[in-house]
Formats: sequence, C-alpha cells, structure tokens
Amino acid sequence: GIQVEQSPPDLILQEGANSTLRCNFSDSVNNLQWFHQNPWGQLINLFYIPSGTKQNGRLSATTVATERYSLLYISSSQTTDSGVYFCAVDSQGGSEKLVFGKGTKLTVNP
Amino acid sequence: KAGVTQTPRYLIKTRGQQVTLSCSPISGHRSVSWYQQTPGQGLQFLFEYFSETQRNKGNFPGRFSGRQFSNSRSEMNVSTLELGDSALYLCASKRGGSYNEQFFGPGTRLTVL
Repeated sequence: GIQVEQSPPDLILQEGANSTLRCNFSDSVNNLQWFHQNPWGQLINLFYIPSGTKQNGRLSATTVATERYSLLYISSSQTTDSGVYFCAVDSQGGSEKLVFGKGTKLTVNP
Repeated sequence: KAGVTQTPRYLIKTRGQQVTLSCSPISGHRSVSWYQQTPGQGLQFLFEYFSETQRNKGNFPGRFSGRQFSNSRSEMNVSTLELGDSALYLCASKRGGSYNEQFFGPGTRLTVL
C-alpha cells in the first residue's frame, strides 16, 4: 500500500519563527490533507490539497503531485500552533481510506 | 452546520467486555470512516461505510465491527476487549462522490483495564 513519510518528526521553535513541514508519499493520490491534532485529540482540518498551493492566514501548503510530496509552511509561529501535524493521503484507484504519516510534533516556545 | 459528533467521549471497560461507540456525521455526508490511534501504531484505518454498506475494511480482527444506519449515523463495536484496544477512536465523515475531504469528530478515548 501507499507509504507516507513526514519530516522532521520533532520541531522546536521560538515564537515568531517560520517552519516547513514535509510529507512524502509513495504513489499517486486522490486526496491529500493536512491536519493539526489539538491537545484533546481532535484532528483539525488545515488543508485539502491533492495538488497546487493554498494559503490560509499564516499557514500555506503546496503539493507537487508529480514529485509526490507536500509542504506545510507556518509563518510567524505562535504558541497555539504547538501540537502534532499530520499528513494523510488517499491513493488513486485505492480504497478511499486515509493513510496517515507518523506526524511532526511542533513545540513553539514563548 | 454542526460538525461530526461522537459519543461517548470517554469510556473505561475491563478485559472481555464489549463496547459500542457512536458517530453522527455532518449533515449531508454519506460516508463514515473509523480510525484507531495508539502511541505505538499511530492512526490506522478500521472501516468505511457508505449508504449503509461497508466499502472498505482495514487490517483489524473480526472483534471490530461496525454498521451504518439510513440516516448515515454509524456505530462501531468491539467485542471481547483486550488491553491493546485502549486507544483514541476517531470517526470521520465526507460527502462522497467527488467530494473527498474528510472531517473528523472529537474522538472517543477508550481505556481497557
């Protein structure tokens, strides 16, 4: 099945810094989503981005489908950005299940 | 529009018991999927239902089962609970068809003692 790798596994920043999170996937995808898991466990939708570039405030994402990777950019980070960020994909012609990476744990210090 | 809701939010059971978790999707969404999250295995797909039919199933034992009702609400059942079933169980819904974005509920945290 499709493999999803996220890097880095851990990231520690000072408030105000910028960061880039990466997601590599091993096959063509129908769906790629970025999530932020809050301290209570809920997965919050950040982007639905099987291809192209999107921006939402301080966050933006780019997926280069032909090269099988996606990037999540966080600018001017805040302590509330702390948490785990997951990339999940649903492969083309596949079963429509989401396959998750192991996540990037982001800690933003004041 | 209300989001995905899950009940109960927390549950404590003992080994050998069974448990039923409930999920109500976003209004108009016909697909409901279930995922298990554990520290060791991460987020893993359990099964997906669409229009009351199971479309996909993950690699879990037969103790894990589910169903979907005509109003798209879904339940999952775990029988003969084991300690390793302790996890966060997440439900997600999507509209279906060409609308692939999935939206997750707050989860049910199950502890098996």
